[in-house]
Amino acid sequence: QVHLVESGGGVVQPGRSLRLSCAASGFTLSGFPMHWVRQAPGKGLEWVAMISHDGTNEEYADSVKGRFTISRDNSKNTLYVQMNSLRPEDTAVYYCARDFRGGDALDIWGQGTMVTVSS
Amino acid sequence: SYELTQPPSVSVSPGQTARITCSGDALPKIYTYWYQQKSGQAPVLVIYEDSKRPSGIPERFSGSSSGTKATLTIIGAQAEDEADYYCFSTDSRGNQRVFGGGTKLTVL
Repeated sequence: QVHLVESGGGVVQPGRSLRLSCAASGFTLSGFPMHWVRQAPGKGLEWVAMISHDGTNEEYADSVKGRFTISRDNSKNTLYVQMNSLRPEDTAVYYCARDFRGGDALDIWGQGTMVTVSS
Repeated sequence: SYELTQPPSVSVSPGQTARITCSGDALPKIYTYWYQQKSGQAPVLVIYEDSKRPSGIPERFSGSSSGTKATLTIIGAQAEDEADYYCFSTDSRGNQRVFGGGTKLTVL
């Protein structure tokens, strides 16, 4: 069974940092680009970031550029996102997703982890 | 910033055809992807590269794209198809990915 499981969410004060993890099972992470997508409570989906299969290319939404860093450890089959200088508007469920075609076809999604930025 | 525009809601009766549109300036050159999200669940890919259907997605789901508009069509919509549907694509530079605002499909 192919699975993605996110972890690391929680409540954090504005300006602080948090790192989310996404553990892959049932497939080899190194074969696929990976994405983070978030969804604020009651709102639509928002793309956050993408990393190439080998980690050499990263792309970010303008809303998180300079604050978030996507990374991967293919030896651990795990994807990460380091979130710094968090703002209340970053409050959302964060999903990791696998891109099976290398072109934004996100075929496997995790169940999501909730991040709440509040004082 | 780049935007994809979807109607907020579409409503059909069971067995009818539902069409959900997505408009964006770069769509003549860039693929569109469609995701279904049921309440409380993670999204599911239903169409990729404008018109291809992943394995396991029912044949009643199809996609097309013409000019600046992409369309998700559900022929013979069923109650289980009630969900939010999002289009997803990239700007003409190819690095700013965006979701449309989402369309709530009601089948009743």
